[in-house]
Amino acid sequence: GQGVEQPAKLMSVEGTFARVNCTYSTSGFNGLSWYQQREGQAPVFLSYVVLDGLKDSGHFSTFLSRSNGYSYLLLTELQIKDSASYLCAVRAYQGGRALIFGTGTTVSVSP
Amino acid sequence: EAAVTQSPRNKVTVTGGNVTLSCRQTNSHNYMYWYRQDTGHGLRLIHYSYGAGNLQIGDVPDGYKATRTTQEDFFLLLELASPSQTSLYFCASSDVGTSQNTLYFGAGTRLSVL
Repeated sequence: GQGVEQPAKLMSVEGTFARVNCTYSTSGFNGLSWYQQREGQAPVFLSYVVLDGLKDSGHFSTFLSRSNGYSYLLLTELQIKDSASYLCAVRAYQGGRALIFGTGTTVSVSP
Repeated sequence: EAAVTQSPRNKVTVTGGNVTLSCRQTNSHNYMYWYRQDTGHGLRLIHYSYGAGNLQIGDVPDGYKATRTTQEDFFLLLELASPSQTSLYFCASSDVGTSQNTLYFGAGTRLSVL
């Protein structure tokens, strides 16, 4: 079956980094997206990757390995306000064009 | 800035009740989606549409109907609400092609079925 897996929680310290992992298994692949969702709010788009390798977007980077069905979101120079849930979503080529979301990783940044 | 507006923001109904959740987008996007979000399950796709009059079945469609009346408006209907449908519902829109990976979400509707 198709699925997107993420660890439930991740704790880190202000000024350091956090790596949010995502593994997926889908019948085809047509891109992977990351969203940030703060408590009580709607998800907000962060990044989209479709090619293997690292994509640097400043405060965060995203990595993709299609052969391994793996991606990560790397948050650097963490701030308290980065505390949120980070959602990984995959678009499978077959079975519809909508995104399949993981359950999200809650990142807690402490002082 | 993309805009997706959901109404109502909160809704309480009883088992067997009839509920309609509304969503309007002003992005001129072709695609619109209804998701539900529950602890431990993440966002799950109920229905989606790629244009007025079109409807595609998502991953958890049982107990839900949807209708896309215009490019802007997408409705989710619960005709016989059950407690298992208590959830946070999000509507979203997206453009076509690679932009289809960028979803713009509404603020959500919290539904409680007693």
